[in-house]
This record gives sequence, structure tokens and C-alpha cells, in this order.
Amino acid sequence: QVQLVQSGAEVKKPGASVKVSCKASGYTFTGYYMHWVRQAPGQGLEWMGWINPNSGGTNYAQKFQGRVTMTRDTSISTAYMELSRLRSDDTAVYFCASVSMLRGVTSLDYWGQGTLVTVSS
Amino acid sequence: QSALTQPASVSGSPGQSITISCTGTSSDVGGYNYVSWYQQHPGKAPKLMIYEVSNRPSGVSNRFSGSKSGNTASLTISGLQAEDEADYYCSSYTSSSSSLVFGGGTKLTVL
Repeated sequence: QVQLVQSGAEVKKPGASVKVSCKASGYTFTGYYMHWVRQAPGQGLEWMGWINPNSGGTNYAQKFQGRVTMTRDTSISTAYMELSRLRSDDTAVYFCASVSMLRGVTSLDYWGQGTLVTVSS
Repeated sequence: QSALTQPASVSGSPGQSITISCTGTSSDVGGYNYVSWYQQHPGKAPKLMIYEVSNRPSGVSNRFSGSKSGNTASLTISGLQAEDEADYYCSSYTSSSSSLVFGGGTKLTVL
């Protein structure tokens, strides 16, 4: 069965960077787009961008361009999301979510369990 | 402010049907059949319930259905059950930067 397992909770100071990992299993890693979505406490879902694990190509939401970097390591079926210059309003649960390339980037079929990133001085 | 507009809350009694709306523009909901719906229980990851407006993934109950008219998509849940109580989010592909946008979410209360 498809599983996305994310790295553990992080506490960072303002201005620092955080890198969250998402290890995929149960499917061909390079055949599925990997999206990243975040959810601030008590708030809704916010799309951050996607990476094509096959080509490494990325598409970031305009809001995060210049601060977010999505990468992958195909040898271990793992995707990464790094967010820099953290601010207190970046405190959120960060989710990875995948969808088959046959369906394009239009939905989020499988989700990781989420990683809480807390930004606090 | 979210790109797609959803009601903040809806409620219904067990056995009843409810509908949640999701309003966008011709650049997203109205322009493409790429609306999805997600269910999220407290402290859990979202779960895909509907994709491409009206398609149900394997394993999702047929009590959940989706539709679209113009710039507004809808999720209908029939035969409400206690376990349906959750937050529901719509999303749509948008021509703006080939990206996804979400609605603000709707809290469903089963009375």
C-alpha cells in the first residue's frame, strides 16, 4: 500500500531554515508528482508547490518563491522541502502529498502524516 | 483570504443530506474539471474524497458525490453519519502558474 512517512517535528528560530523529508513506499517514486501543503494552527490548507521526482522539475506557489526549495533523492524514494528565512507565521504542519503523473498535478491522492514546524525565539 | 470560497460551517442530522459549495472563477473552478474535495478529521492528514469534479477514489463511500455548475462546485453527502463530522476542503487547478488553490474549509457538524 502507498505510504508517505515524514520526518519528525522541528523547532526553529526566526531566520533559520528547516528541511522536511517525505519517504515514499508502495509505488514507483518517479511516477508520481510530490506536492507540499501546509496548515497553520486552526487554519486551512495552503498549497506550496510540487516537484516532479523523475525530472526534478518544480513549480512553487508565488508566495513561497525565493524561500522554498523542493528536491528529491530517487535512490531512497524521498522528497524534501526546505523553507528558509523562517518567520513566526511559518509555524504550521507541513504535509507531503502525491498524485500519479497519469492524472497530472490536479489532485492530492496520498498524504503523509504531517510534520509540525514551530518557529519561535 | 482563500482563492476559493466555501461556507464556514454546515450542519445536518444523521440520515439527512448536506451540500457544501465551493466558488471560484473562470480561471480555476469554472475553467477546468479539476476540482477535488478533501475530508480532514482533527489532528489527521486530509483524505481525498472526490477528484476531477465527480470521481470517487477506490474505497470512498458512494454517499459522497461531487458536481459543478459554472464557477461553483459542490460536494453532497447523503445519509449523514456521525463519522462524517470533519472539515472539508475543496481545491482546484488554476491557470495561474499551473498551480493548485484551496478553499477556506467548511466545518461539518452532525447534530
